[in-house]
Amino acid sequence: DSGVTQTPKHLITATGQRVTLRCSPRSGDLSVYWYQQSLDQGLQFLIQYYNGEERAKGNILERFSAQQFPDLHSELNLSSLELGDSALYFCASSAGTGTNEKLFFGSGTQLSVL
Amino acid sequence: AQKVTQAQTEISVVEKEDVTLDCVYETRDTTYYLFWYKQPPSGELVFLIRRNSFDEQNEISGRYSWNFQKSTSSFNFTITASQVVDSAVYFCALSEATGSSNTGKLIFGQGTTLQVKP
Repeated sequence: DSGVTQTPKHLITATGQRVTLRCSPRSGDLSVYWYQQSLDQGLQFLIQYYNGEERAKGNILERFSAQQFPDLHSELNLSSLELGDSALYFCASSAGTGTNEKLFFGSGTQLSVL
Repeated sequence: AQKVTQAQTEISVVEKEDVTLDCVYETRDTTYYLFWYKQPPSGELVFLIRRNSFDEQNEISGRYSWNFQKSTSSFNFTITASQVVDSAVYFCALSEATGSSNTGKLIFGQGTTLQVKP
């Protein structure tokens, strides 16, 4: 058990809808990362927050947004969903924000857009 | 641009065989970190090893060993005497330094699916 908790584990929704994925980092970790895993794109970095502030941004669509709250949990909001958004979304956490950080991953949220 | 290439998409071996998973990376950074993660069928990514760019010593952990060669930009992973429980997708990753702003962001390779048959 990595100590990173993601909810829900599975999410089925329709095109055009909006969903929220939640992540609780390991106790004491200040950084939260979101990754998208799909068959064609592999593991793609979306965004990182460190102690409540956005630290790095990857190939995150404008329809997607995230935030990290004062208690350090994070939410990833996906709106105007399309079929192509179906993927496994991982949250990871690390203690800090250096290039040597060891990331601990949650078990992911499997999103299916029908 | 930073990039990680795992040329082997799928490997199938019989239990007790040794297997090497290849990883080649590209970076302009002089200081960087390389990682291997395992994704078993349950789906969660599990950290295996972290290696910094200044430490080219090979590392062994039980049946696992890693060979880091800066000259060829490779960080290969060998499983000795493979077992069925080693069946998983294995990812090599490179940390990325973004200008003056350090992040823990990882660039992942496409992964190698290892199937170990009994």
